[in-house]
Amino acid sequence: GQNIDQPTEMTATEGAIVQINCTYQTSGFNGLFWYQQHAGEAPTFLSYNVLDGLEEKGRFSSFLSRSKGYSYLLLKELQMKDSASYLCAVRVAGNQGGKLIFGQGTELSVKP
Amino acid sequence: NAGVTQTPKFRVLKTGQSMTLLCAQDMNHEYMYWYRQDPGMGLRLIHYSVGEGTTAKGEVPDGYNVSRLKKQNFLLGLESAAPSQTSVYFCASRLPFQTRPLHFGNGTRLTVT
Repeated sequence: GQNIDQPTEMTATEGAIVQINCTYQTSGFNGLFWYQQHAGEAPTFLSYNVLDGLEEKGRFSSFLSRSKGYSYLLLKELQMKDSASYLCAVRVAGNQGGKLIFGQGTELSVKP
Repeated sequence: NAGVTQTPKFRVLKTGQSMTLLCAQDMNHEYMYWYRQDPGMGLRLIHYSVGEGTTAKGEVPDGYNVSRLKKQNFLLGLESAAPSQTSVYFCASRLPFQTRPLHFGNGTRLTVT
């Protein structure tokens, strides 16, 4: 079966750093994606990891450990506009269409 | 550049009615997907297509049908709507390489009473 776990909610303070964790158990693995979704809007792509290690992109970084089935998204210098839901998704290998399986998302609230 | 466009944005149906959701993309993407998003459930794949004239079932296909007659369009049909199909529906598309992310439309909010 396919299982992706993320915390349901997190709260952080403006200017701080927050780490959102994601663990997965899937039948095959072909990459992990992070998306940001503001309320009432479409998900937008943030990052992609397929090899172990850290990928940095401005204030956002994403880490992957394939042996542990674990990833995290790190957000630095938090801004109020970072309040959103963050979705972890795994691309499952060995099937036509390279389907993405999504976690339920982590709702992040940034407080002043 | 419009990207992925979904119509309609909102719809209210009575149980038993039918409707079609339209997704159009102008990025020449081969792969297209329909997801539904429900509170606490995350995005779940309904049907997908890897090219014009092809479709396949996802995780939750029951009660839905799809068609991909043209590369740029992917239609999702509900033949006999049920209250359990109240949800937000997202269409997405991407290029056929494993590293490529999904590009999402803005969603259709459907309520079935």
